[in-house]
Amino acid sequence: DAGVTQSPTHLIKTRGQQVTLRCSPISGHKSVSWYQQVLGQGPQFIFQYYEKEERGRGNFPDRFSARQFPNYSSELNVNALLLGDSALYLCASSLRDGSTDTQYFGPGTRLTVL
Amino acid sequence: AQSVAQPEDQVNVAEGNPLTVKCTYSVSGNPYLFWYVQYPNRGLQFLLKYITGDNLVKGSYGFEAEFNKSQTSFHLKKPSALVSDSALYFCAVYNTGGFKTIFGAGTRLFVKA
Repeated sequence: DAGVTQSPTHLIKTRGQQVTLRCSPISGHKSVSWYQQVLGQGPQFIFQYYEKEERGRGNFPDRFSARQFPNYSSELNVNALLLGDSALYLCASSLRDGSTDTQYFGPGTRLTVL
Repeated sequence: AQSVAQPEDQVNVAEGNPLTVKCTYSVSGNPYLFWYVQYPNRGLQFLLKYITGDNLVKGSYGFEAEFNKSQTSFHLKKPSALVSDSALYFCAVYNTGGFKTIFGAGTRLFVKA
């Protein structure tokens, strides 16, 4: 079975632009979470979606938004990009939204903001 | 506030020797704890988790972790290290109040041949 897939792999944007990142979960998984990993740090939680509804939100500005589609895939949007948004963006899927569920991570999208 | 601490930025061990990567946590309520490994330019891979029950949890690739409630620790261990174990290791705790997973800063493991 295919794992979690993310696109694109790499992305270069300039300050002020907008970006959309995409994630396809493992087949049968209904929950998707997004994380930001800045170089040298652990992943920081951005959003969790389950059954197309937002279940959790991290400490990120309103420039960050996300949604989940009926097929459980997800998009992360970031508006008005700042240099500090440069990071690896990770998507993780799990069967449910429960606290005990194992999350399976995709390879990430490397975003560079110039 | 719920948090995870990995006190060592880097751990060095010789191949064949036992390894320990340390993790301490602070949570209200029951802790749900996880270990993940990250190889260069890759996403995170799940190693093991503690939810309840036996304090010694066995996971992938020969890794295990010991949950110690009194010391609020969840150290990752392996009896005999391999060069291929060299990677970045993350401890994480699930925040039941905020529906989110909190990760530590990570510990880089170097296994020397």
